[in-house]
Amino acid sequence: QVQLVQSGAEVKKPGASVKVSCKTSGYTFSDYDIHWVRQAPGQGLEWMGRINPNSGDTKYARKYQGRVTMTRDTSISTGYMELPKLRSDDTAIYYCASVNYGDHDYWGQGTLITVSS
Amino acid sequence: QSALTQPASVSGSPGQSITISCTGTSSDIGNYNIVSWYQYHPGKAPKLIIYEVSKRPSGISNRFSGSKSGNTASLTISGLQAEDEADYYCCSYADSDTFVIFGGGTKLTVL
Repeated sequence: QVQLVQSGAEVKKPGASVKVSCKTSGYTFSDYDIHWVRQAPGQGLEWMGRINPNSGDTKYARKYQGRVTMTRDTSISTGYMELPKLRSDDTAIYYCASVNYGDHDYWGQGTLITVSS
Repeated sequence: QSALTQPASVSGSPGQSITISCTGTSSDIGNYNIVSWYQYHPGKAPKLIIYEVSKRPSGISNRFSGSKSGNTASLTISGLQAEDEADYYCCSYADSDTFVIFGGGTKLTVL
């Protein structure tokens, strides 16, 4: 079965960086984009961007352009999302998802990133 | 681009039907039939309940239905059950500058 398993929760200080991993299994990794979505406390779901695992092409939400970096390692079917210069308002649950805008729609369990001094 | 517009909350009694609207623009909902709806319990993975405006994934109850008119998509839940209580988010494909956009979310309370 399809599974997306994300790295564990982290506590970071303001100004630090975080890199969240998303290990996939149960399907051909290169066939579907990996998206990253976050939910901050009291806020809604927010799309951050996506990476095409086959080409490495990325598309970022305007808010994150120049800040977030999404990468992948096809040899281990894993996607990554790196966010530098963390601020307190980056505290959120970060989700990866393997999506084809149709019925292939699988999500990781979420990774809580807490930014606090 | 701002989030798609959803009502903050809706409520209904068991057995009733409710509809959640999701209003966008001609750059997203109005231009693409790629609208999804998710059921979300905070801290858990969002669950796809509708894709491509009105299609249901395997295993999703036919009590859930979706539609679209112009720039507005809608999710209808019929025969409300207590287990339907959750947050619901619409999501649309959008023009290249935005690409993907979520609604602000609607909290469904089953009275």
